[in-house]
Amino acid sequence: SQTIHQWPATLVQPVGSPLSLECTVEGTSNPNLYWYRQAAGRGLQLLFYSVGIGQISSEVPQNLSASRPQDRQFILSSKKLLLSDSGFYLCAWSPGQLSYEQYFGPGTRLTVT
Amino acid sequence: DAKTTQPTSMDCAEGRAANLPCNHSTISGNEYVYWYRQIHSQGPQYIIHGLKNNETNEMASLIITEDRKSSTLILPHATLRDTAVYYCIVRVPGGTSYGKLTFGQGTILTVHP
Repeated sequence: SQTIHQWPATLVQPVGSPLSLECTVEGTSNPNLYWYRQAAGRGLQLLFYSVGIGQISSEVPQNLSASRPQDRQFILSSKKLLLSDSGFYLCAWSPGQLSYEQYFGPGTRLTVT
Repeated sequence: DAKTTQPTSMDCAEGRAANLPCNHSTISGNEYVYWYRQIHSQGPQYIIHGLKNNETNEMASLIITEDRKSSTLILPHATLRDTAVYYCIVRVPGGTSYGKLTFGQGTILTVHP
């Protein structure tokens, strides 16, 4: 069966510090991968998606970047965090572009102080 | 993508059926209806999807009207653990969108003892 992992679960970082969040998927190959953010009391916002190694599409301009160095690894990064980067970050995968059944990881709660 | 309209909140007694409506009057012929839910502090969870026929799985039933302009998600015997935000999403699988999901505000379902 497929599983998706995210770490860390929680993170408190000062403004201006770098960020690296990691997501890995097991039990499948060539998945579509997604990064979402949910600000407090708000809906989910799609940040990035990837259909293959090295292929990243950005949905909104922001202080963040994403990379996919391996088939089942997706990384969210920032060089300098802003207060507005605080939120609940979720990684998700789907079997392919014909399926909208996305499966979400447990999330990382980021607080920028 | 067709827009969806859901009530902001609903209540249900434990053990009773929870019926969550969704209006999607501008749905096109090749768009599917998907339901997800998000329990507090967790990632969204896929529930069910359908095109025109009613669907049932171990979690819920999906009833789509004949004109496909609305649908109802039914949780047959709601439990306290079903308290969550429920999202109705209408989308065409595949294409250049690569499975991107757009989450609206959803319906907050509260199951009472």
